[in-house]
Amino acid sequence: ILNVEQSPQSLHVQEGDSTNFTCSFPSSNFYALHWYRWETAKSPEALFVMTLNGDEKKKGRISATLNTKEGYSYLYIKGSQPEDSATYLCASNRDDKIIFGKGTRLHILP
Amino acid sequence: DTAVSQTPKYLVTQMGNDKSIKCEQNLGHDTMYWYKQDSKKFLKIMFSYNNKELIINETVPNRFSPKSPDKAHLNLHINSLELGDSAVYFCASRRGQLNSEAFFGQGTRLTVV
Repeated sequence: ILNVEQSPQSLHVQEGDSTNFTCSFPSSNFYALHWYRWETAKSPEALFVMTLNGDEKKKGRISATLNTKEGYSYLYIKGSQPEDSATYLCASNRDDKIIFGKGTRLHILP
Repeated sequence: DTAVSQTPKYLVTQMGNDKSIKCEQNLGHDTMYWYKQDSKKFLKIMFSYNNKELIINETVPNRFSPKSPDKAHLNLHINSLELGDSAVYFCASRRGQLNSEAFFGQGTRLTVV
């Protein structure tokens, strides 16, 4: 994997349901993996930064896991709420660069 | 107080003009970045500065020149603007540690007509 890849590109989830999406990143020269939440007309805001293989972080209903050996991370949202609607960006920190994926656009349906 | 501030927020200019976008951070961070958000909303890194020194210069036309007068500022100068330069440009900063997140400015929407 040469770039940061996120899937799916877009996701519609019923309010109250749980969901997850994937980030794949180059495992060589790995420093850290970032997750950001980006609401329309705003700036990206950091959710998590993870560095160690097996790391798992949680903030309220949102959690993330990290596998540095195989180069992937999952973001989980439990009990989706309308305010969770946003684009979720994954980024790999390598060699002083923070390289972003194209994001997963999450739509919460009432 | 805004942690990372960019000015202007909107910039409309004609082809061929030279313009600058300013970025300032009051977080005491060592590293600053410029990103370009393309038409598909993808954030593409342009430049990375660490303590006023250029670290990363991605494949960006040399019409784009970053200037860092001090650690708190990273300005973006664009010469001979072209239609394809129209985009939203984001400035960001972070501490030097590996586990530090980036803080973004509010973005500058540049429209070249």
